[in-house]
Amino acid sequence: QVQLVESGGAVVQPGRSLRLSCAASGFTFTNYGMYWVRQAPGKGLEWVAVTSYDGTNKYYADSVKGRFTISRDNSKNTLYLQMDSLRAEDTAVYYCAKFHLGYCSSPRCSGGADSWGQGTLVTVSS
Amino acid sequence: EIVLTQSPGTLSLSPGERATLSCRASQSVSSSYLAWYQHRPGQAPRLLIYAASGRATGIPDRFSGSGSGTDFTLTISRLEPEDFAVYYCQQYGSSPNFGGGTKVEIK
Repeated sequence: QVQLVESGGAVVQPGRSLRLSCAASGFTFTNYGMYWVRQAPGKGLEWVAVTSYDGTNKYYADSVKGRFTISRDNSKNTLYLQMDSLRAEDTAVYYCAKFHLGYCSSPRCSGGADSWGQGTLVTVSS
Repeated sequence: EIVLTQSPGTLSLSPGERATLSCRASQSVSSSYLAWYQHRPGQAPRLLIYAASGRATGIPDRFSGSGSGTDFTLTISRLEPEDFAVYYCQQYGSSPNFGGGTKVEIK
């Protein structure tokens, strides 16, 4: 059974940094690309970042490009999101999610995201 | 960037009724890279449909997806109580963005 567990959410001041983690189990992590998706309070889903199954290819939403970095440690079955220069508008629940299709190097062949974690809350406030 | 517009914003229906949700793209979505998700409050989103019409594992057959190019539809043939939720479409191109969502509420 696929399980994704996010951690690292916190209350942080604007301009500061935070690193989120997503521990994966129940599937062969090294075979699947991964998403980070967020939902701000009262808003819809917004994709944040994507990594290919091997970490070679990474994609970022314009709203976080240059500030956030997605990475993965396949030896630890863990996905990360390093968030720097945080802004109030980054306040959201952050979800990690697994590509529906394996061995995929870009979102185009992902088939969407078929398993999601429960999310971790990041609040950026002074 | 492809912008996805979902309509209506809210759909008020009774259990047993048919729900038809629309997702319109600002430009053609290549090779039907279009997914639909269900999101209930306090829960993780759930993949319903991928590649515009492929039903994900374990999804009941009352859920169906159709469309191509710029116009896509999610149909729920007969609403069950657990189907009242928010539904999002997503085009998973190089910038895999989501539509704004349609809330299906109990009438």
